[in-house]
Amino acid sequence: NAGVTQTPKFQVLKTGQSMTLQCAQDMNHEYMSWYRQDPGMGLRLIHYSVGAGITDQGEVPNGYNVSRSTTEDFPLRLLSAAPSQTSVYFCASSLGLQGGGYEQYFGPGTRLTVT
Amino acid sequence: AQKVTQAQTEISVVEKEDVTLDCVYETRDTTYYLFWYKQPPSGELVFLIRRNSFDEQNEISGRYSWNFQKSTSSFNFTITASQVVDSAVYFCALRNNAGNMLTFGGGTRLMVKP
Repeated sequence: NAGVTQTPKFQVLKTGQSMTLQCAQDMNHEYMSWYRQDPGMGLRLIHYSVGAGITDQGEVPNGYNVSRSTTEDFPLRLLSAAPSQTSVYFCASSLGLQGGGYEQYFGPGTRLTVT
Repeated sequence: AQKVTQAQTEISVVEKEDVTLDCVYETRDTTYYLFWYKQPPSGELVFLIRRNSFDEQNEISGRYSWNFQKSTSSFNFTITASQVVDSAVYFCALRNNAGNMLTFGGGTRLMVKP
């Protein structure tokens, strides 16, 4: 098992550019999520999905779009990058919501800089 | 809304000292789940432990131990006889009863000096 994979590892964008961060998991997990990590603020939930075709907003969704067409993939799209989106982005997955308490498995992260 | 507070932003200890990382949480759920994750300098997030709100038994795993006290909404983490390899950022997190929201604290950076 590769677990949770993310591409790219590093990315530099200019303000206004768009891009997609890729995330895939091979554990057949129903739940997938995206977080951003900023210094001193821990990780904050951007969007999440409880299964193919189902997505919802987290704590900081503005400026980001997601879709989930398959169980395995959960891409994160930045429509018009802004310097405030400079951050490290983590994708995570876990078993479904039933029981609520499954631990999440995290990808290695994508370091994004917007100039 | 739920909240997790890690008041210690940075702790520095000398190897072999014991160290406790504090975590205080707020939630309206009566059932919830608490986690600790470790983020070493390499950047990945490593799961350490999960605790259900209805299980207040403390847990020990080698040099690691966790003290869950529902009465004070705390879930503290102690490393006994710290080692340089313990140097990392440690995050406490709270998952709600519905399971769809995981809220992290701001993290505690632990530096263990030889």
